[in-house]
Amino acid sequence: GENVGLHLPTLSVQEGDNSIINCAYSNSASDYFIWYKQESGKGPQFIIDIRSNMDKRQGQRVTVLLNKTVKHLSLQIAATQPGDSAVYFCAENKAPGNKLVFGAGTILRVKS
Amino acid sequence: DTGVSQNPRHKITKRGQNVTFRCDPISEHNRLYWYRQTLGQGPEFLTYFQNEAQLEKSRLLSDRFSAERPKGSFSTLEIQRTEQGDSAMYLCASKGGGGAANEQFFGPGTRLTVL
Repeated sequence: GENVGLHLPTLSVQEGDNSIINCAYSNSASDYFIWYKQESGKGPQFIIDIRSNMDKRQGQRVTVLLNKTVKHLSLQIAATQPGDSAVYFCAENKAPGNKLVFGAGTILRVKS
Repeated sequence: DTGVSQNPRHKITKRGQNVTFRCDPISEHNRLYWYRQTLGQGPEFLTYFQNEAQLEKSRLLSDRFSAERPKGSFSTLEIQRTEQGDSAMYLCASKGGGGAANEQFFGPGTRLTVL
């Protein structure tokens, strides 16, 4: 079957440090991935996306890396802030319909 | 606030009762999605609409579940004869046209507890 999953369920980082959240996928045909952030009591919020024709994409304080050889992607958050504390999901955007297939999530805790 | 609203935010019901949830998407979005999320897991796709047409239903959507989007605007998700296993967060998301590049905007969800 097709799975999108995460290596680490919980990540604790010191405020100001960089965070790296990892995700593995199994379907080599997957071609569009999105990272979502979910705070307590809220729905998931789009962070950044990447297509398979790219290896890296940068946003504001965030970078997504895609390694198609080992079917792995990561989300890097620079200078992590307390407001970054949340659950982070990688998701595959699948056709038809652009439905999202989510992994299980990583909890990011930022210590002040 | 993403612009997607869901009501109610919380619902507690007894096993066997019927429940209905409502989602109001961003007004110009033609696609509307329903997902279910259990504790510690990522959301799981249930179904989606393009305008008023329901184009796909997941295997998770048993016969007790029905979703509608009668005028291509708001949508309802009904669960009949609820079971304890139905307890979850039900999330709605909407998306504009233009292919996969447009993100899905999620509502805050309806948390269902079946006693």
